[in-house]
Amino acid sequence: EPEVTQTPSHQVTQMGQEVILRCVPISNHLYFYWYRQILGQKVEFLVSFYNNEISEKSEIFDDQFSVERPDGSNFTLKIRSTKLEDSAMYFCASSDDRGTKTEAFFGQGTRLTVV
Amino acid sequence: TQLLEQSPQFLSIQEGENLTVYCNSSSVFSSLQWYRQEPGEGPVLLVTVVTGGEVKKLKRLTFQFGDARKDSSLHITAAQPGDTGLYLCAGAKSGANNLFFGTGTRLTVIP
Repeated sequence: EPEVTQTPSHQVTQMGQEVILRCVPISNHLYFYWYRQILGQKVEFLVSFYNNEISEKSEIFDDQFSVERPDGSNFTLKIRSTKLEDSAMYFCASSDDRGTKTEAFFGQGTRLTVV
Repeated sequence: TQLLEQSPQFLSIQEGENLTVYCNSSSVFSSLQWYRQEPGEGPVLLVTVVTGGEVKKLKRLTFQFGDARKDSSLHITAAQPGDTGLYLCAGAKSGANNLFFGTGTRLTVIP
């Protein structure tokens, strides 16, 4: 069964460092998303990406964040200068454009710890 | 912020009992998804409902979308320990791709 895969599963970084989280969405999907979940809190939308550009973003997705689809398979989230409060689980998701576009399938997540 | 409130927040029941989890909002959603999340893992999609009043069944799980598309419920019949987990509802607004997630219901089924 097709699935969204994320790497790494766990990333520890020092405050101020740049991190890149990687995702391989489901191959025939066209919409890609990043969500995050701070420990004990609800899942929050960060950004959606379609046709090689950002289609929507939340207030959380400020200038420190960027997304890219460098090739036909990978979808990345970059945090330029990490802060302690960026520590969270980051989930990549994808969906297709048939029927309900928002029927998103999530990866296993990357646990980012900023120290 | 489109707030989706889930109740109860925590639920602990004996194996074999029935339960209902609620997802409520003052906003109208074009679709609503239910996910289940295990600790340290991503949400796993259970069902999507799109039509007001729609009822979908997935084995012992019954999902209903409110007539006004502002609320939803998940009913589990004869709960089993394998049903233990965090249940999340997530709504999508018309014309938007992103999901607004609910606050979650953590279910524990005791053998």
